[in-house]
Amino acid sequence: GDSVTQMEGPVTLSEEAFLTINCTYTATGYPSLFWYVQYPGEGLQLLLKATKADDKGSNKGFEATYRKETTSFHLEKGSVQVSDSAVYFCALSVPYGSSNTGKLIFGQGTTLQVKP
Amino acid sequence: DGGITQSPKYLFRKEGQNVTLSCEQNLNHDAMYWYRQDPGQGLRLIYYSQIVNDFQKGDIAEGYSVSREKKESFPLTVTSAQKNPTAFYLCASSISHRSPYSNQPQHFGDGTRLSIL
Repeated sequence: GDSVTQMEGPVTLSEEAFLTINCTYTATGYPSLFWYVQYPGEGLQLLLKATKADDKGSNKGFEATYRKETTSFHLEKGSVQVSDSAVYFCALSVPYGSSNTGKLIFGQGTTLQVKP
Repeated sequence: DGGITQSPKYLFRKEGQNVTLSCEQNLNHDAMYWYRQDPGQGLRLIYYSQIVNDFQKGDIAEGYSVSREKKESFPLTVTSAQKNPTAFYLCASSISHRSPYSNQPQHFGDGTRLSIL
């Protein structure tokens, strides 16, 4: 079935370091891919998305490229800040036509800690 | 501003008690979802509704019930049959499950934290 796998955390970086959080997926058809961020005690906020192969989603300095050949959607940021400390979730949206249409499949989340 | 409102923020359940978590959205979205989040884990789908007066079980529906009498409201009841209800509960909505909207993102509320007394 459809699934998402993220690198395990926590990921601990110093401020201004380069960030990569790996995400790979398994899906039938052509899913859309998302990164969500969750700050402590809050709900999830959409960070970025990509709806087809080779699309690059970007927002607030974060980027991720939809790589169909490697079934990946890795999250990157060139220079992290303390305020980026949060849990990051990779997710895919089951394509239309499946019995699970519209459902999101989440990875287990990766905690990022950025130290000053 | 449009959004999803969950209430209460914190909720305590006594032994044998049913409790209801509220979720209201003013985004005019057709589809709504309930997720459970346990510490250090991802989100697991409890129930979802693609249209008013219709809903389906998700991956962990046992011990929970829902209703969808109005488009903007999707309350979740945690029944006494749910033996381990302590968790963070998140409600979400999306435009529609139908094409061409089925690939649109879900929007989340701020969650309700449920604990056992």
